[in-house]
Amino acid sequence: QQQVKQSPQSLIVQKGGISIINCAYENTAFDYFPWYQQFPGKGPALLIAIRPDVSEKKEGRFTISFNKSAKQFSLHIMDSQPGDSATYFCAASMDTGFQKLVFGTGTRLLVSP
Amino acid sequence: DVKVTQSSRYLVKRTGEKVFLECVQDMDHENMFWYRQDPGLGLRLIYFSYDVKMKEKGDIPEGYSVSREKKERFSLILESASTNQTSMYLCASSFDPTGKLSYEQYFGPGTRLTVT
Repeated sequence: QQQVKQSPQSLIVQKGGISIINCAYENTAFDYFPWYQQFPGKGPALLIAIRPDVSEKKEGRFTISFNKSAKQFSLHIMDSQPGDSATYFCAASMDTGFQKLVFGTGTRLLVSP
Repeated sequence: DVKVTQSSRYLVKRTGEKVFLECVQDMDHENMFWYRQDPGLGLRLIYFSYDVKMKEKGDIPEGYSVSREKKERFSLILESASTNQTSMYLCASSFDPTGKLSYEQYFGPGTRLTVT
């Protein structure tokens, strides 16, 4: 119930291509779905987040698509660049008052030049 | 800029040693978290704290304890280190400036702990 399942585990995309990472959850009480980006040697940092009252959120080349009925959400990176090579984590949270996040297992993205 | 610092980037300890990992944040955040990150397992929550001297267990608290004596500092303690505690440890903090939960967590750079 508390898990967030993330796929794929790793992804190689050519420069200029679209990177797609998928996540699924079971707990319908989750009400906040962020994506974190982690570069080697750094801690994760918030990239983009969505709440279930919208089906899509776009920030620059990064888009979250959210399907409430399917309990799935995905990250799309348009025009992928070598600088996007990083590990991406989806996460979910609910209004417990403590701002706890449940993270997916991570996707290692490599964008080839 | 929010800054979360961790006392060591790399640490090597022997089995059975008591290990202290320190985390400091400089933005007066209320909430602080300790995670461990392992390949294929993502980030798993060990403990968190929502106020000074308050602590709550996360998903994998066994073998760990925490201390929060000051708002800016959150320590993770491995009472008797074991080889299965070899991992990357990440500290994070978050705040709620408006009374509406913002959820964003700010992470430190991590401590890679090796227990031999």
